Amino acid sequence: GAVVSQHPSRVICKSGTSVKIECRSLDFQATTMFWYRQFPKKSLMLMATSNEGSKATYEQGVEKDKFLINHASLTLSTLTVTSAHPEDSSFYICSASEGGVGTSNQPQHFGDGTRLSIL
Amino acid sequence: AQKITQTQPGMFVQEKEAVTLDCTYDTSDPSYGLFWYKQPSSGEMIFLIYQGSYDQQNATEGRYSLNFQKARKSANLVISASQLGDSAMYFCAMREGPGYSTLTFGKGTMLLVSP
Repeated sequence: GAVVSQHPSRVICKSGTSVKIECRSLDFQATTMFWYRQFPKKSLMLMATSNEGSKATYEQGVEKDKFLINHASLTLSTLTVTSAHPEDSSFYICSASEGGVGTSNQPQHFGDGTRLSIL
Repeated sequence: AQKITQTQPGMFVQEKEAVTLDCTYDTSDPSYGLFWYKQPSSGEMIFLIYQGSYDQQNATEGRYSLNFQKARKSANLVISASQLGDSAMYFCAMREGPGYSTLTFGKGTMLLVSP
C-alpha cells in the first residue's frame, strides 16, 4: 500500500533554532501534500496545502513566514519552522494522496508525525 | 457550524464486544467522501475505511464497517469483536467535492478496550 515517510520523528531544540521536517511519498507521486498540526488530545488542524512546483496555500491564521513549505519534487515536501519558540512545540504530521482530480475516494496517507519540543 | 461532529469524547468496550463510534456531517455538496482514521498513542494516522456519497452499500473492511445513513447525514463506525489493540483515538473525516480537496476532521473519540 501507499507509504508516506516523515522525518525526523522527534526533535528537541533550543528556542530560536529553525527546524526542517521532511515528508516523502515512497511509492507514488503526490502533486499535493498536506501539513497538519495537532495539540495534545485535540484533532488535526490543517496548516497548509503544499503544491508541487508552486506556492503553498496556507490556512487562515497560519504564518507563512514562520512555517515555510517547499514542494520541490513529486515525492518530497518540507516544512521549516523558522526561529522556533516554545509555543511552536507540537505534533506535526503530513499527508499525501494518490491520484488527482476525480479520485476523491483515495484516502490521504499520513506520515508518522514529528514531535517538536522547543526549550 | 461544524462540518464533522463526533459527540462521544470517550467510549469504553469490553474485549470481543462490538462498539459503534458516532459521526455526523454537514455538507451541501452532493459529492463527498467520508473517512475513518485510527490514531494510537504513538501518533500515526491509520486509514480504516471509506464511504462515498454515491455508494449504494455500506463499506466494510474486515472488522470495520460503516453504517452510512445519508438522509440523517451520519456515518458511524462499527468495530466488531473488539481487541485490546483497538484502544486508540478515532477520527471521522470528510472530503467535499468530486475532485481532490482537503479533509475536515472531527474532534475524535477515544476508545478504550478492556480485558
